[in-house]
Amino acid sequence: TQLLEQSPQFLSIQEGENLTVYCNSSSVFSSLQWYRQEPGEGPVLLVTVVTGGEVKKLKRLTFQFGDARKDSSLHITAAQTGDTGLYLCAGSLGGGADGLTFGKGTHLIIQP
Amino acid sequence: NAGVMQNPRHLVRRRGQEARLRCSPMKGHSHVYWYRQLPEEGLKFMVYLQKENIIDESGMPKERFSAEFPKEGPSILRIQQVVRGDSAAYFCASSPGQGRSYGYTFGSGTRLTVV
Repeated sequence: TQLLEQSPQFLSIQEGENLTVYCNSSSVFSSLQWYRQEPGEGPVLLVTVVTGGEVKKLKRLTFQFGDARKDSSLHITAAQTGDTGLYLCAGSLGGGADGLTFGKGTHLIIQP
Repeated sequence: NAGVMQNPRHLVRRRGQEARLRCSPMKGHSHVYWYRQLPEEGLKFMVYLQKENIIDESGMPKERFSAEFPKEGPSILRIQQVVRGDSAAYFCASSPGQGRSYGYTFGSGTRLTVV
């Protein structure tokens, strides 16, 4: 059973379109992070959200943490070919453990 | 600052040999984490270390795997008597404090192939 479910698994759209990808769980997370990973490289941190309902913007990327801290979304406006990559969400269950639980990711391809 | 450095980038081992993976965290980062990524699987937490201490090894297989982060030098993930199922990408991440608050900086990984 995957603790963090990401959807869609694959997404291919045209440059200039908008898109939203989702990260859902039945568990409550103390914090949630989004990463982007390119082939052959490690994940790169995009954002950390901590408060339920929190919204953070990073240029054309908007991240939202659900009110109940069980889900999150990433919205990209006017997608560019450089946005192509694997988008991973990762949550911390808090307490004494500091390891993250990762979803399997959304493979995003932006067609020129 | 070159970031989190992992070496080697690629490692090939025959079944039964030992694999040693090294990780030098970012300067100023005292928290180190190891993750494993299997094909078509998400990243799985293995172990969390601070200097000379293992803080959480709940994701580490009980046998053949060990990790250390000595006072001097890089963190080492050691896999003894490797088997084909150990083939994966192993990523190290570091953080200046608890990763869940500060976020992680990942290295480029070591791709282990067991033949």
